[in-house]
Amino acid sequence: NAGVTQTPKFQVLKTGQSMTLQCAQDMNHNSMYWYRQDPGMGLRLIYYSASEGTTDKGEVPNGYNVSRLNKREFSLRLESAAPSQTSVYFCASSGGGLQETQYFGPGTRLLVL
Amino acid sequence: DAKTTQPTSMDCAEGRAANLPCNHSTISGNEYVYWYRQIHSQGPQYIIHGLKNNETNEMASLIITEDRKSSTLILPHATLRDTAVYYCIVRVSYNTDKLIFGTGTRLQVFP
Repeated sequence: NAGVTQTPKFQVLKTGQSMTLQCAQDMNHNSMYWYRQDPGMGLRLIYYSASEGTTDKGEVPNGYNVSRLNKREFSLRLESAAPSQTSVYFCASSGGGLQETQYFGPGTRLLVL
Repeated sequence: DAKTTQPTSMDCAEGRAANLPCNHSTISGNEYVYWYRQIHSQGPQYIIHGLKNNETNEMASLIITEDRKSSTLILPHATLRDTAVYYCIVRVSYNTDKLIFGTGTRLQVFP
């Protein structure tokens, strides 16, 4: 039982390049989330998916797109990377509902030059 | 979701209890208090949550004041591995399960 996995672990991009961050969970969870964490800051919600086939914007969605490919997988795409998107990206999942715990992946560290 | 206020940093001696305060003076009756922690640069880890009663699990205890305007997370016997950033979050009962993180308290446990 791997929990929440993210790929890649590290990535360096040049401004304007695109990439997709992958996230998968094996806990049969309904809800999945993407957060970003800038140095010295708390996590901020980018997008979330309450169930397969649905996605909604969080606090900081600009510059990102997401796809809930199936119940297991939730990807985050940067179409044209900018230096302001340099951050650590965390994916999380939960069973859905208020008292369900969110489980986080190990993070993807992204540097945009 | 109600805003929370936490001290920026705290120290605690190994083996002693660590008491981490959180102020949530604008909390509503249907908002839960959640605690997560983040060790080094790992993904956050759930610790405990509560509505109005005190709660205890294998990791910690959560004490919520009677007026619910503040709470305290207690790590009864802190170890070096408890060094982390601790986040206090309040969450509405009828909303989706989004978490709104603040900047948290950096707890340093020293030998």
